[in-house]
Amino acid sequence: GEDVEQSLFLSVREGDSSVINCTYTDSSSTYLYWYKQEPGAGLQLLTYIFSNMDMKQDQRLTVLLNKKDKHLSLRIADTQTGDSAIYFCAELGGYNKLIFGAGTRLAVHP
Amino acid sequence: ETGVTQTPRHLVMGMTNKKSLKCEQHLGHNAMYWYKQSAKKPLELMFVYNFKEQTENNSVPSRFSPECPNSSHLFLHLHTLQPEDSALYLCASSPEALAGGHTGELFFGEGSRLTVL
Repeated sequence: GEDVEQSLFLSVREGDSSVINCTYTDSSSTYLYWYKQEPGAGLQLLTYIFSNMDMKQDQRLTVLLNKKDKHLSLRIADTQTGDSAIYFCAELGGYNKLIFGAGTRLAVHP
Repeated sequence: ETGVTQTPRHLVMGMTNKKSLKCEQHLGHNAMYWYKQSAKKPLELMFVYNFKEQTENNSVPSRFSPECPNSSHLFLHLHTLQPEDSALYLCASSPEALAGGHTGELFFGEGSRLTVL
C-alpha cells in the first residue's frame, strides 16, 4: 500500500542548514508536500512540489524531488529557533488520498 | 474569527463516557476531514466529508461516529473508547475534497487532545 517514511528526529545548530528527508512508495503521486506543525498548533502547508519538477526554491526553503528513487527532501538554510517544529512529508497518491508520514521533529539549539 | 476552530482543546474521559469533539471552519470550504495524530505514527485519515456527504471512512471503529450537519461544522462523537484511542484529533478543511489537479492544501485546526482513562 501507500507509505510515507521519514526519520523522527533531527537536531541542528542555529545558523546551520537542516535537511529533512522523506521516502514514499506511490509512483503515481502528483503532488508532494511539506507541512509544518508548531507546538500546540495544527499543521500548516509550508511548500509543495509537482511531480514533474525536481527542485523548488522559496526563500530559505529548497525542496528536492528524486522521482526515480521516490525521495523528497526539505532543506532549510540558516536554521533559526523559530524553525523548531514537526515537519510532515505528504503525497497526493492514488484515489486522491493525501498520505502523511509520521513527522520529523526538528530541534534547533544555540 | 477565521480559520479552523476545534473544541475542546483538551478532553479526558473514561471508557464508558460519551463525549463529542467539535470543529468549525470559517473559510467557506466544502470539504472537512478528521485525522488522528499519535506519537511516532503517521497521521491517520479517519473521515472525509464533501458537501456534507461522507466520502471516506478509513476503516474507523464504530465507537467513533462523525456528523456533518452543514459545510461549516463537523463533529466526532465518541463512546466506549479505549485507552489506545488517546491521541490528538485534528480537523481540517479544503475548498473541495481532493481531486485530480487539486494542490492538496488542507487547513488544519489546532486539534483536540483526547486522553482515555
